[in-house]
Amino acid sequence: TQLLEQSPQFLSIQEGENLTVYCNSSSVFSSLQWYRQEPGEGPVLLVTVVTGGEVKKLKRLTFQFGDARKDSSLHITAAQPGDTGLYLCAGGRAGGFKTIFGAGTRLFVKA
Amino acid sequence: ETGVTQTPRHLVMGMTNKKSLKCEQHLGHNAMYWYKQSAKKPLELMFVYSLEERVENNSVPSRFSPECPNSSHLFLHLHTLQPEDSALYLCASSQDLGAGAFQETQYFGPGTRLLVL
Repeated sequence: TQLLEQSPQFLSIQEGENLTVYCNSSSVFSSLQWYRQEPGEGPVLLVTVVTGGEVKKLKRLTFQFGDARKDSSLHITAAQPGDTGLYLCAGGRAGGFKTIFGAGTRLFVKA
Repeated sequence: ETGVTQTPRHLVMGMTNKKSLKCEQHLGHNAMYWYKQSAKKPLELMFVYSLEERVENNSVPSRFSPECPNSSHLFLHLHTLQPEDSALYLCASSQDLGAGAFQETQYFGPGTRLLVL
């Protein structure tokens, strides 16, 4: 059973389009992270959100943590080929050191 | 460049071989991790070391044997692997374990792509 469900699993879009990917759980997390993994590389942290309802922006990327801290979304505006990669969400719980990862959304942006 | 290096980047081995994966972090971190990444599956945490002591062995078969000789180096010794062990093996480090309220940032190496024939 996956604790963090990511959707969609795969997304192929044209350059300039907007998109949203989701990370959902039935469990509460104290914080949630988004990583991007490019082909041939390891995941790289994009953002950490810690407060229910929190919204963080990183250039064209907007991250939101759900009010109940059970879900998160990542919205990309005007996607570019450089956004291509595997987007992973990862949840943590207070007092624990294990990070729970989702299976990821693989995004391909065509020029 | 994340400050975490892994060698080799690619490895093909037979089921009777013995090989080792190496990870080195240049960040002065105290915690190091081994993960297994298979297609369409979440990253699976295998082992965690904090200050060179193993703090987690996540039900990993004994054919995988970790070693942490110092806080900068982590090895994964492999022997008599099975084809289903083929995957990307990722090493990561973080400043500390992050057992407080929030997650530590983990810095990942590029991984070793392992194929077991």
